[in-house]
Amino acid sequence: DVKVTQSSRYLVKRTGEKVFLECVQDMDHENMFWYRQDPGLGLRLIYFSYDVKMKEKGDIPEGYSVSREKKERFSLILESASTNQTSMYLCASSSVRRGGRDTQYFGPGTRLTVL
Amino acid sequence: GIQVEQSPPDLILQEGANSTLRCNFSDSVNNLQWFHQNPWGQLINLFYIPSGTKQNGRLSATTVATERYSLLYISSSQTTDSGVYFCAVAYYNQGGKLIFGQGTELSVKP
Repeated sequence: DVKVTQSSRYLVKRTGEKVFLECVQDMDHENMFWYRQDPGLGLRLIYFSYDVKMKEKGDIPEGYSVSREKKERFSLILESASTNQTSMYLCASSSVRRGGRDTQYFGPGTRLTVL
Repeated sequence: GIQVEQSPPDLILQEGANSTLRCNFSDSVNNLQWFHQNPWGQLINLFYIPSGTKQNGRLSATTVATERYSLLYISSSQTTDSGVYFCAVAYYNQGGKLIFGQGTELSVKP
């Protein structure tokens, strides 16, 4: 069964803290993605990775960085958390079969609150 | 860029009713997915349907790629169908990056 897991369901951090959000998939997928979801703004892509040690900026990369040292794990890093990064963060993965057009599977999400 | 528009934005149904949700996109796509977001925020895959028609129980979907729209049909709705339904599309040369519509919020009343 397809599985994408995220390290925390709920997280509360202080302004200025360094925050790590972890995502792990067990499907041997090449592609991994980080999105954030905000009321009225929908889901927006932050970063994605199509291979180990590879990363590409999405639509809203400012204030974030990522790390992909192993194929199954994709980390989102907030170097210095700010209140405007309070959001729901969703990780996803997909394979490169069918020319990269394969189904994208999502994790349960992490609700991050920055105080 | 590709725009994805969903309609209606909100929908209230009585249990047992049928509904059709629509997704319009602005250019040729190689991936189209329908998701249901449950009250806990989890995005659940419903269909991968860049073209054609698929059915899964009470749900079915049709994508007419040449006319740039997709429809999600929910028959005999149940209260557990409540939540937000998203359509998302992707270009092949975008590395599988999905662009989401704003969603349709469905509420099924008992």
